[in-house]
Amino acid sequence: SAVISQKPSRDICQRGTSLTIQCQVDSQVTMMFWYRQQPGQSLTLIATANQGSEATYESGFVIDKFPISRPNLTFSTLTVSNMSPEDSSIYLCSVMGYSGANVLTFGAGSRLTVL
Amino acid sequence: GENVGLHLPTLSVQEGDNSIINCAYSNSASDYFIWYKQESGKGPQFIIDIRSNMDKRQGQRVTVLLNKTVKHLSLQIAATQPGDSAVYFCAEKGSNTDKLIFGTGTRLQVFP
Repeated sequence: SAVISQKPSRDICQRGTSLTIQCQVDSQVTMMFWYRQQPGQSLTLIATANQGSEATYESGFVIDKFPISRPNLTFSTLTVSNMSPEDSSIYLCSVMGYSGANVLTFGAGSRLTVL
Repeated sequence: GENVGLHLPTLSVQEGDNSIINCAYSNSASDYFIWYKQESGKGPQFIIDIRSNMDKRQGQRVTVLLNKTVKHLSLQIAATQPGDSAVYFCAEKGSNTDKLIFGTGTRLQVFP
C-alpha cells in the first residue's frame, strides 16, 4: 500500500493563527482527500484535493477556512486558517489509486490542539 | 449527506471469543463497503471490503457480511486477540463517486 507521510504529526497552536499540514505520498496517486476527525468521533470529509485546480469542498467546509493545494500527483497541503479551539482535531490525508488500487489509504494524521 | 451508523459504540470481549461489530447504512445506492481499523495514534487501516453483488467475504480471521435488504453490514472477528483492540469504522461508497462516507465507529476492547 501507499506510504503517506504527514507533517506535523502534532502541534499546539494559538487561537487566531494558521497552520499548514503537508502530505507526501511515495508514489503518484489519482485521488487525494483530506478528512477531519474530531475527538472521539468518526471521519468527516473536508475536500478532494484536485491536481492543478481548486479543491472540491464538502458541505460545511470552505476554501477560506481550509485552503488546499495539490501541485502534483504526490503532494498536497491543507491549511487550517484563523484557528479556534473548535478546530482541535486530527486531520488526515488519504489517497486512492496507489498502484491502481481502489482502496482509500490513510496517513497517520496530524493532531492539532488549539488553545 | 447519507449517514452510516453503528449500533454499539463499545464492545468488550474476552480474548479468544468471536467479535461481531455491526453497521447500518442508509444509502441504498451504495455499492461498495469497507471496514477500517484505527489504533490509537494511527490513521485508519483497511481490513476488508465487499461489493454489493456479494453477501459474504472472508479474510484472515475476519468475515464481512452484507444484508442489502435491511441495509446492514457486519464485521466478524474470529478468536479475538488483544491486538484487535481498536476503533472499527464501516464506510460506504456509491458507484458514481470516489468519496467514502464513514460510520460513527465502535470501540472494541479485548480482555485477557
